[in-house]
Amino acid sequence: AQKITQTQPGMFVQEKEAVTLDCTYDTSDPSYGLFWYKQPSSGEMIFLIYQGSYDQQNATEGRYSLNFQKARKSANLVISASQLGDSAMYFCAMRASTGRRALTFGSGTRLQVQP
Amino acid sequence: GAGVSQSPSNKVTEKGKDVELRCDPISGHTALYWYRQSLGQGLEFLIYFQGNSAPDKSGLPSDRFSAERTGGSVSTLTIQRTQQEDSAVYLCASSFQGRDTQYFGPGTRLTVL
Repeated sequence: AQKITQTQPGMFVQEKEAVTLDCTYDTSDPSYGLFWYKQPSSGEMIFLIYQGSYDQQNATEGRYSLNFQKARKSANLVISASQLGDSAMYFCAMRASTGRRALTFGSGTRLQVQP
Repeated sequence: GAGVSQSPSNKVTEKGKDVELRCDPISGHTALYWYRQSLGQGLEFLIYFQGNSAPDKSGLPSDRFSAERTGGSVSTLTIQRTQQEDSAVYLCASSFQGRDTQYFGPGTRLTVL
């Protein structure tokens, strides 16, 4: 079974500052993928970034980077230079590379960017 | 290009009625997923279609829920004899193949009175 834990129900950050959203996971699968999605108030889930369990380097996509620490089973999202439009719910998710293809989601972190 | 589309965007129904929710995946995507998002349960997997393979129905909460995918494209999620606990946002996602990133539609908000 897979489990994702997001321990920060809410976070505040000042505009232009960096913020880290925490995610830890548990799985017995040797190969898996980790994802972060953003859900603004409009409701649509927007894919942000992906990290494979065997990737040697941390994933980056523009202002988003994933701090992947395999031994600690953590996959924290770092948003640099926060913008007001970053205010949203953020979900960490994982999926095994074999067997069930469904995503397992964490409970989410609500990020509010303050001017 | 066009993303995943879902209809209707909102659906209000009375307890006991049947409802159908529709999902149009991204063109060329062979995998399609249904999830449910509710306040109490978070995001839950419901069902997964991959090409012509038998669907993975392991997430369906009861036999009142069913889904089909016609012609490997459009999918319909049907909830029979709706209950108030079925009230949620139903999200559809698709991916190019079962291993790739899933892209989500805007969801259908279902309210059962």
